Amino acid sequence: AQSVTQLDSHVSVSEGTPVLLRCNYSSSYSPSLFWYVQHPNKGLQLLLKYTSAATLVKGINGFEAEFKKSETSFHLTKPSAHMSDAAEYFCVVLNAGNMLTFGGGTRLMVKP
Amino acid sequence: SQTIHQWPATLVQPVGSPLSLECTVEGTSNPNLYWYRQAAGRGLQLLFYSVGIGQISSEVPQNLSASRPQDRQFILSSKKLLLSDSGFYLCAWSVQAGNSPLHFGNGTRLTVT
Repeated sequence: AQSVTQLDSHVSVSEGTPVLLRCNYSSSYSPSLFWYVQHPNKGLQLLLKYTSAATLVKGINGFEAEFKKSETSFHLTKPSAHMSDAAEYFCVVLNAGNMLTFGGGTRLMVKP
Repeated sequence: SQTIHQWPATLVQPVGSPLSLECTVEGTSNPNLYWYRQAAGRGLQLLFYSVGIGQISSEVPQNLSASRPQDRQFILSSKKLLLSDSGFYLCAWSVQAGNSPLHFGNGTRLTVT
């Protein structure tokens, strides 16, 4: 069975500082992994995806994530936070039945 | 390019009233379609998914139903709403091929009073 754990429910950073949102997964096979962002009262927008190609994945808005099989992690990073990055972020694993398992979400707050 | 439309954006309905939320996808054929619910402070819960016209799978027993009358149309319904049906409802689509991400609509905020 697949599972996804987002280690922090809330992360607060100052504008211009790095962002790290942590995600660990469990899967019985090589998974596909995604990060989504959700702004208030909006749908989820795909940030990036890992599908067994390059382990360092670049996404939109300057975000990137690194797939580390040995650590079963897929952490999301950004070198410099913007105020517009404040949102909720979901780490997601695609299971064998082509269904998604969502992490519980991490709310990112960006202070001016 | 593909787009997904979901409406209405917000809805306030009394307990016991019916519900119909509609979702349509443009620019693709034979997509997988999904309905999710996101309750306040909680993650996303898959309600229904469909791999083709008239093919609906339900993930959880509930007061809701779904239908897919056309290839790119997905409808979420209820005959009688409960207070517990309040939440944020998201429609999504994906291509049938494996490893495909979901693409979400903007959601419907439903408040049952």
